[in-house]
Amino acid sequence: DVELWESGGGLVQPGGSLRLSCVASPFTFSSSAMSWVRQTPGKGLEWVASISGTGGTAKHADFVKGRFNISRDNSKNTLYLQMNSLRAEDSAIYYCAKDPGWDYYMDVWGKGTTVTVSS
Amino acid sequence: EIVMTQSPATLSVSPGERATLSCRASQSVSSNLAWYQQKPGQAPRLLIYRASTRATGVPARFSGSGYGTEFALTISSLQSEDFAVYYCQQYSNWPLYTFGQGTKLEIK
Repeated sequence: DVELWESGGGLVQPGGSLRLSCVASPFTFSSSAMSWVRQTPGKGLEWVASISGTGGTAKHADFVKGRFNISRDNSKNTLYLQMNSLRAEDSAIYYCAKDPGWDYYMDVWGKGTTVTVSS
Repeated sequence: EIVMTQSPATLSVSPGERATLSCRASQSVSSNLAWYQQKPGQAPRLLIYRASTRATGVPARFSGSGYGTEFALTISSLQSEDFAVYYCQQYSNWPLYTFGQGTKLEIK
């Protein structure tokens, strides 16, 4: 079975940075677009960013544009989310998810990593 | 942005009974609609995609229906493991995904 494992979450001060990683178990990683989705108790599930299989197309939600950057290294089966200028409202569980490669729903999710932005 | 609205926010149903959860899109998403189940402390799990296709391993008591702006998830005979939060998601304009706010299915 395909599995995704996130890491890199933690406690950071407002204005700080974190880099999240998501490692995928062996599958044709480059054939799937990958996404980051976050979840807070107050706002439910929110799409954060997605990147195409080749990495050539990346999109970010407006509320993270200019602060977060999604990237991937297909040689390492790894997805990244560089998070800069963090705010308290970015505190959430961050999940990575993949699509099946032939459609755009999210068929496999990681267990999530928690980001807390607080002084 | 396509807004997804789920109703009700909470649904109380007895085990063995049928539950129907609704999801409405602010504009047509064709059949580009997925349903996810989330239990406490766990990640979301895909149940339904393309509005009505069950994902691998999902029991037949789960069914999805709808097209365009109106969708439903029906669980025909609730089992104890089905009490969870359910989210709908549209994926009609990759990657501008949007999710509904969720319906909590609780034991009556």
